[in-house]
Amino acid sequence: SSELTQDPAVSVALGQTVRITCQGDSLRSYYASWYQQKPGQAPVLVIYGKNNRPSGIPDRFSGSSSGNTASLTITGAQAEDEADYYCNSRDSSGNHYYVFGTGTKVTVL
Amino acid sequence: EVQLVQSGAEVKKPGESLKISCKGSGYSFTSYWIGWVRQMPGKGLEWMGIIYPGDSDTRYSPSFQGQVTISADKSISTAYLQWSSLKASDTAMYYCARLQVVAAMDLFDYWGQGTLVTVSS
Repeated sequence: SSELTQDPAVSVALGQTVRITCQGDSLRSYYASWYQQKPGQAPVLVIYGKNNRPSGIPDRFSGSSSGNTASLTITGAQAEDEADYYCNSRDSSGNHYYVFGTGTKVTVL
Repeated sequence: EVQLVQSGAEVKKPGESLKISCKGSGYSFTSYWIGWVRQMPGKGLEWMGIIYPGDSDTRYSPSFQGQVTISADKSISTAYLQWSSLKASDTAMYYCARLQVVAAMDLFDYWGQGTLVTVSS
């Protein structure tokens, strides 16, 4: 099965830009989706596919991909963006097998 | 409005069995896969498996194959996650989530509120 690796933690100054990366072989074939999880809450989808945002997600969130790496960028980070972020993609095992990344804790200073 | 509503928190002893549920509403329950995700205390998300309620086609992560059983009752729009013999290491929050596949893009677009399972003697 595949693995998706993320940096454990990143910090960003209020109003600045932060990029979170997700690396894995499956990303060469499949798009990543990204989830935000705040303490005590269920995950929330923030980005999917090439660069798509669900309704209600601010446009400061964007996604990109190159080779085996997917990225989530927060442009103009706000205090409420402090959370854990997880990538997810299909696993190389076949259809409807999935894997989550290891997660990144984003701290807004 | 799409909703996934999970059953309440459980406290069990090692060796006991358990079945938790995830009831979907606001959409065609039989037309979307439902996945289960584990989150152990202070840890990350782990994909456990997924079921298509329309025909009960089920896939398991190798890490969870044989450890849990995923099922669904389409007549009541409910998916289940069950254990036959709980261990202390099963203590975790469990989430269900709806899988949407759009033009080869896979996304878990709606999530349940989570069910906390505590296994302790």
